[in-house]
This record gives sequence, C-alpha cells and structure tokens, in this order.
Amino acid sequence: GESVGLHLPTLSVQEGDNSIINCAYSNSASDYFIWYKQESGKGPQFIIDIRSNMDKRQGQRVTVLLNKTVKHLSLQIAATQPGDSAVYFCAEKVGNNRKLIWGLGTSLAVNP
Amino acid sequence: DGGITQSPKYLFRKEGQNVTLSCEQNLNHDAMYWYRQDPGQGLRLIYYSQIVNDFQKGDIAEGYSVSREKKESFPLTVTSAQKNPTAFYLCASSPAGASTEAFFGQGTRLTVV
Repeated sequence: GESVGLHLPTLSVQEGDNSIINCAYSNSASDYFIWYKQESGKGPQFIIDIRSNMDKRQGQRVTVLLNKTVKHLSLQIAATQPGDSAVYFCAEKVGNNRKLIWGLGTSLAVNP
Repeated sequence: DGGITQSPKYLFRKEGQNVTLSCEQNLNHDAMYWYRQDPGQGLRLIYYSQIVNDFQKGDIAEGYSVSREKKESFPLTVTSAQKNPTAFYLCASSPAGASTEAFFGQGTRLTVV
C-alpha cells in the first residue's frame, strides 16, 4: 500500500542546535511533499512544501530536502528554539487529489 | 480576521448519543476536511468535501456523517454507531487549485462518559 512514515517518533535537541526530522514515503506519484507543525492542543500549521521535481527548498530557518532515489524527505530546522517544540508531520499530495496522505509524526523536544 | 473555527473546544457525550461538531470557515475555501487524531497518533481522514453539496468518505468514515449545505460550513456528526469516539477532532480547509496548504481549526476534544 501507499504510506508515509517517519523514522523517529521522538527527537530531543539542545536549544541552538540544528534539528533534522526524517520521513520516508512510498508513493512515487506524489507531486508535493509538505511539512506541518502541531503544537500541543492545537491544529497543525503549514511550514513548507516542496514540489517533486525539486531537491531542496529553503524557508525561514527551515530547509526541506527531497531524495527521490531513496524516497526520503527531511526537514532541517536551524538554531532550534524552545518554540519549535511540537509534533512535525510530513504529508504528500498526489495530482489533483485534494486528500493529503499523512505520516505518523515526530515529536521534537528542545532542551534549554 | 479570516480563519477556520471549530466549536466547542471540549465536548462530553454519553454513550449512545449522537453529537455534532461545528466547523466554519470564512476563507472562501472550496475544500473542507475532518480528521481524527488519537493520542500520540497521526491524522486520519474521516470525510472531505471538495464542493458544496458533495462529500466523500475518508479512511475511517464508519460511525460518522457530514453535510455540506453551505460553502463555509462542514459539520460532523459522531453517531452512536462509532464504537470508540473519544478523540481529538480537527477540521481543515484548503483553496481550489494546486495549493498544498490546508488551514486547520483548533480542534474539538470529544470525550465519551
């Protein structure tokens, strides 16, 4: 079946360090890959997306890398801050299908 | 302010009762979604609607029902047929076209007592 899954369920980093959150996917037909951040008790918030014909995309303090050869997606957060503590989900979008395929999530804890 | 609003934030239901969760958006988005999230789990799609008066089942539609009579509203009813309804319910909307960004409400935490 088609699935999006994460390598690590939890990640703990020191404040100021860089964080890398990984995601594996199996659907080669996906057009977009998206990262969402969910803080405790809240709905997810869009962070950044990357089109399938790209390898890298940068945002503010975040970089998403896409390796289609091994079907791997990662989110890098530079200079991680306490406010970055949340669960991070990857998701994928296939064609015009409005339904996203969601990964299981990685919990990021930032230690002061 | 534009946004998506879910109400109530917390909801308690007795076993055997139906309950309706509200979701309203003023973003003029065509598509709306309902997700269920259990503790420590990801999002599972219950129902989604791409246009008014039309909706499709998601991965876990059994025991739930929806309606989409207005563009801005997509209420979810949790029926007594849903055997394990205690969960965090999230509503989302997205615009038409190739947008990948879905906008989420703050969620409703439903507890069956």
